[in-house]
Amino acid sequence: KAGVTQTPRYLIKTRGQQVTLSCSPISGHRSVSWYQQTPGQGLQFLFEYFSETQRNKGNFPGRFSGRQFSNSRSEMNVSTLELGDSALYLCASSLGGGYTFGSGTRLTVV
Amino acid sequence: GENVEQHPSTLSVQEGDSAVIKCTYSDSASNYFPWYKQELGKGPQLIIDIRSNVGEKKDQRIAVTLNKTAKHFSLHITETQPEDSAVYFCAASIGLTGGGNKLTFGTGTQLKVEL
Repeated sequence: KAGVTQTPRYLIKTRGQQVTLSCSPISGHRSVSWYQQTPGQGLQFLFEYFSETQRNKGNFPGRFSGRQFSNSRSEMNVSTLELGDSALYLCASSLGGGYTFGSGTRLTVV
Repeated sequence: GENVEQHPSTLSVQEGDSAVIKCTYSDSASNYFPWYKQELGKGPQLIIDIRSNVGEKKDQRIAVTLNKTAKHFSLHITETQPEDSAVYFCAASIGLTGGGNKLTFGTGTQLKVEL
């Protein structure tokens, strides 16, 4: 059974640019959540999508957005990148119980 | 909002010894408590979880205990092995009004198992 797949694994962007990250959940999982992991702030909740609708949102600025498609795949977008956006972005999918995480996308903003 | 504190931040044990990591949470409405293991370059891996209607759960060398009154829960690893070396995160989850859950994580414990 395939796990949660995130692409790309690594990304380098310049300040001011925008970026889109992709997440394919485990087959059958309809809930997809996104988390940001940094050494200073740890793991922080960004948002959760369920059946193509954003169900919950964390305390991040509007530059962070996402969407979910009918096949449950999700994308996360960050516009006007700042140096502080450098982090490991993790996606997790759930069937209603535990959350399974992907390996993440390492974003570096220079 | 929910706040989860985790201790210790680093833990070094000898192979074969036991390791205990403790977490406290602030929101009494939290009802799901997973533990994750994260190895270098990988995402967090769920190793065990417990729901608020259960006081203890065990899976081979790993056990979790929950004290709802005191709002704390602990991870116990017995007979530690070098491959147990990793960062461990506790989390607390609360059901949200829109449905679904949000995980609030502790700050992590770097466990090192020495030969």
